[in-house]
Parts: sequence; C-alpha cells; structure tokens
Amino acid sequence: SAVISQKPSRDICQRGTSLTIQCQVDSQVTMMFWYRQQPGQSLTLIATANQGSEATYESGFVIDKFPISRPNLTFSTLTVSNMSPEDSSIYLCSVRTGAGQPQHFGDGTRLSIL
Amino acid sequence: GENVEQHPSTLSVQEGDSAVIKCTYSDSASNYFPWYKQELGKRPQLIIDIRSNVGEKKDQRIAVTLNKTAKHFSLHITETQPEDSAVYFCAASISSTGNQFYFGTGTSLTVIP
Repeated sequence: SAVISQKPSRDICQRGTSLTIQCQVDSQVTMMFWYRQQPGQSLTLIATANQGSEATYESGFVIDKFPISRPNLTFSTLTVSNMSPEDSSIYLCSVRTGAGQPQHFGDGTRLSIL
Repeated sequence: GENVEQHPSTLSVQEGDSAVIKCTYSDSASNYFPWYKQELGKRPQLIIDIRSNVGEKKDQRIAVTLNKTAKHFSLHITETQPEDSAVYFCAASISSTGNQFYFGTGTSLTVIP
C-alpha cells in the first residue's frame, strides 16, 4: 500500500492562529481525504481533497475554517484556521488508490490549542 | 445517507477466547466493508475487508462475515492475544461511487492475559 507521510505529527498552538498540515504520498492516488478524530471517538470526514479543484466538504465543515489544497496527485494540505480549544483533536489524512479500494491512513497530527 | 452502528462499545475477553464485534448498516447499496484496528496513539490500519459478493472471508485468526439480507457484518477474532487489544472500527461504502466511508463508533477490545 501507499506510504503516507503526514506532518507535523503534533503541535501546540495559540488560540486564534492557524496551522497547516501536510500529507505526502509516495505514489499517485485517486482520492485523498481529511478526517478529524476526537479523543475516544470515531473518524469524522471533514472533506475530500480534489486534485485541481475545490474540496468537497461534509456537513458541518466549511472552507473558510478548513481550507484544503491538492495541487497534484501525491500531496494535500489542510489548514485549521482561527483555532479555538474546540479544534483540539487528531487530524488524519487518508488515501484510496481507486474506487472499491480500502482507505489507508497517515499517522495523524495531534493538535492542541491553548 | 448511510448509517453504521457498531456493538459493543467495549469488550473484554480472556486471552485465548474469541471476540466478536457486530455492525449494521442502513443502505442496501453499500457493497464494501473494511475493518480497521487502531492501537493507542497510532493510525487506523486495515485488517480485513469484504465485498458484497462474498459471505465470509478469513485471514489467519481474523474472519469477517456478511449478511446482506439482514444488512449486518461481523468481525471474529479467535485465540485472542494481548496484542489484539485496540479499538476496532467497521465501515461501509458504495464502491461504485467511490468516496465516502461511513465508520462505526468503534469497539475498544481488551484482551486480559
């Protein structure tokens, strides 16, 4: 399966600031996704990162808060904007090599906002 | 949209016993069902998956069964070991439309030595 590198692995940020998380894959993949996982909770899809076009956001998530870029088939970024303590969570990217294939996850970014 | 329910939320078993985790789904169009294991502080990792044209699939001590009529699927772990302790997530998706995975709420499995 694809090797997924996500960074930073963790960060502690001040309220009101923004953080950009990077996801790099070692091969071209059709689909890339961004998830949020609160402690002890399941995985919540934030958006699908579309190559060359705007991301597709799930209900409850908006582009102004979570802007996403995907300039090519191996790289995507998620920015968490104007952070508040409620944004403290683990953010994970995942990839699929094609329809009907499983998703594979990066190691995640553990984000704490003071 | 699809709704996936997972039970139990926590499960403790003695080492060597079997563990069973059950999931139900609502959308009859779902046809791909992966299971993920997430150890503390680690990424979710795919452990087994099943497609709707198959009723059962095994991989060593792990098996998954699917009942399309009842819209439920189960993960079976036999001869459990302490390293099986983790949170397990089921998911459902419609592979023809590609994208959305609908995850269950997770089961925290503890294997007691």
